[in-house]
Amino acid sequence: EVQLVQSGAEVKKPGESLKISCKGSGYSFTSYWIGWVRQMPGKGLEWMGIIYPGDSDTRYSPSFQGQVTISADKSISTAYLQWSSLKASDTAMYYCVRPLGDGYTYYFDYWGQGTLVTVSS
Amino acid sequence: SYVLTQPPSVSVAPGQTARITCGGNNIGSKSVHWYQQKPGQAPVLVVYDDSDRPSGIPERFSGSNSGNTATLTISRVEAGDEADYYCQVWDSSSASSVVFGGGTKLTVL
Repeated sequence: EVQLVQSGAEVKKPGESLKISCKGSGYSFTSYWIGWVRQMPGKGLEWMGIIYPGDSDTRYSPSFQGQVTISADKSISTAYLQWSSLKASDTAMYYCVRPLGDGYTYYFDYWGQGTLVTVSS
Repeated sequence: SYVLTQPPSVSVAPGQTARITCGGNNIGSKSVHWYQQKPGQAPVLVVYDDSDRPSGIPERFSGSNSGNTATLTISRVEAGDEADYYCQVWDSSSASSVVFGGGTKLTVL
């Protein structure tokens, strides 16, 4: 059974750093891309970026380029999303997703349970 | 960048048919995917590649796509279908590649 299991909720202060994780199981972790989606409170879904754990090829949505870092450790089948200096506006639910597609289109057949990040002074 | 437009809300009585639209420039040339998100839960894929259903998704959920509009149709709506629904495309010409619609809140009256 394919599963994406994310790390637990975090409460941080502005300016602090943070790294959240997403562990994949039940499939070949290095053969599929892993992406991240943000959902701010009461808002819709926003695409952040994607990584291919097999070779660490990483691509960011322009809105998030330079704001976050996506990485992966294939030895433990885990992808990461990190911030060096959090802002209150980073408060959101973050989902990891597994894209599936054929090069022409991709959709997300598996989602993590989400990690709630709260940034408040 | 490519934009997907959904109505903020749709209301339907139980047993009736709900239609949720997703508008985009020549969206009929793209593959459209739909997700259902219930309160406090992660989104779930309900339709992919315009009209295919993942295993476990009821046949009541169907999709179509032509011209500038894609449509998610939910037949014989049940109270448990009340949720937010998002359309999504992969647009290789956009810097972001992945584009989501703004979401539609389906209310079952």
